[in-house]
Amino acid sequence: SYVLTQPPSVSVAPGKTAMITCGGNNIGRKSVHWYQQKAGQAPVLVIYYDGDRPSGIPERFSGSNSGNTATLTVSGVEAGDEADYYCQVWDSSSEHVVFGGGTKLTVL
Amino acid sequence: EVQLVESGGGLVQPGGSLRLSCAVSGFTVGSNYMSWVRQTPGKGLQWVSVIYSGGTTYYADSVKGRFTSSRDNSKNMLYLQMNSLRAEDTAVYYCARGVSTGGPSGNWGQGTLVTVSS
Repeated sequence: SYVLTQPPSVSVAPGKTAMITCGGNNIGRKSVHWYQQKAGQAPVLVIYYDGDRPSGIPERFSGSNSGNTATLTVSGVEAGDEADYYCQVWDSSSEHVVFGGGTKLTVL
Repeated sequence: EVQLVESGGGLVQPGGSLRLSCAVSGFTVGSNYMSWVRQTPGKGLQWVSVIYSGGTTYYADSVKGRFTSSRDNSKNMLYLQMNSLRAEDTAVYYCARGVSTGGPSGNWGQGTLVTVSS
């Protein structure tokens, strides 16, 4: 089955840039979606199809995907960005949705 | 306004059954790809199942043969019938809306907690 690997945690100072990676075999050939989940809340879509932003999501959130790594970038990090972030793909060979293990973003 | 509201969670003994419901408003459940995703307290997201607009369903290996996803278009409801429940099925269960194969889930409910314990 397809596996997505994320770092358990990323820490960044306010105003700096956070980069959260999502590794998978030839993930660049798949569409990657990213979700933000704050404590006690349901997930919220922040990036879809590698780099598109839903309405209402700040431009500070961006995404890229190439080779074996997809990346969620949060620029000018704010305290309110502190959350767990999950990448997700569709594995067409198994017809399964696959989530990464999640990355906790801590704002120092 | 799009809304998804799950219900039906609770405490059930191992081997028991439970049916979760997801009441949808603001869109038609039968025209969308509807997923169930669960999250063990303190852990990550785990996909459970998807039902396509055409009615085809797919399941995670861990629940295949035990869980069944269905919908009632007349009531605009999504369901998850869970049988032969195990302790490892304990989780918050979310329903989520997508619009295409391989696409994102743009709308989520707030979740309902299922606890499997004797």
